[in-house]
Amino acid sequence: DAGVIQSPRHEVTEMGQEVTLRCKPISGHNSLFWYRQTMMRGLELLIYFNNNVPIDDSGMPEDRFSAKMPNASFSTLKIQPSEPRDSAVYFCASSSPGYGNQPQHFGDGTRLSIL
Amino acid sequence: AQSVTQLGSHVSVSEGALVLLRCNYSSSVPPYLFWYVQYPNQGLQLLLKYTSAATLVKGINGFEAEFKKSETSFHLTKPSAHMSDAAEYFCAVSARDDKIIFGKGTRLHILP
Repeated sequence: DAGVIQSPRHEVTEMGQEVTLRCKPISGHNSLFWYRQTMMRGLELLIYFNNNVPIDDSGMPEDRFSAKMPNASFSTLKIQPSEPRDSAVYFCASSSPGYGNQPQHFGDGTRLSIL
Repeated sequence: AQSVTQLGSHVSVSEGALVLLRCNYSSSVPPYLFWYVQYPNQGLQLLLKYTSAATLVKGINGFEAEFKKSETSFHLTKPSAHMSDAAEYFCAVSARDDKIIFGKGTRLHILP
């Protein structure tokens, strides 16, 4: 079975540019999560969706970040404008229906560098 | 509110020695608990999970963890470390909703 697929794997861009990260969850999973991982702050939950609806976006750092899930098989995380402090590894994860007992399945991440 | 505390951001063990990674949790409801492993340049992978069945949970790669309610602990062990076990390990707790709260991680170093 295909796992969670993220693209691109690496992104290097200049400050001020728009960045779009993409995620395809595992088929049949109804929850999708976006995380950011840095050495300083560890793994942070940015936002999560359930049945394509954003449930908790309290981790989104500021208005420059936005996320969408137009259908069950695709989600995007957008940063506009990007800043050097946004440099991190961004992970997407998905999980199947449950009451918290279903593990999350992670993609391999997008390593983002803002110059 | 749910939280986990992992004791030790770095742990070093010799190859063949016992691996013990410590995790304590806090939860207002009976928790679901997880251990994940992250290898370099990869996402997190599930090692094992506790969902209120047997208190001793066996996972992949020879790892196991024991749920101890009286100690609010869920420590991860492996009898004999292998070089391939070098990675970062995350303990996590779920409060019976979709969110999983992750600990800060413990980096395991294996000494030859």
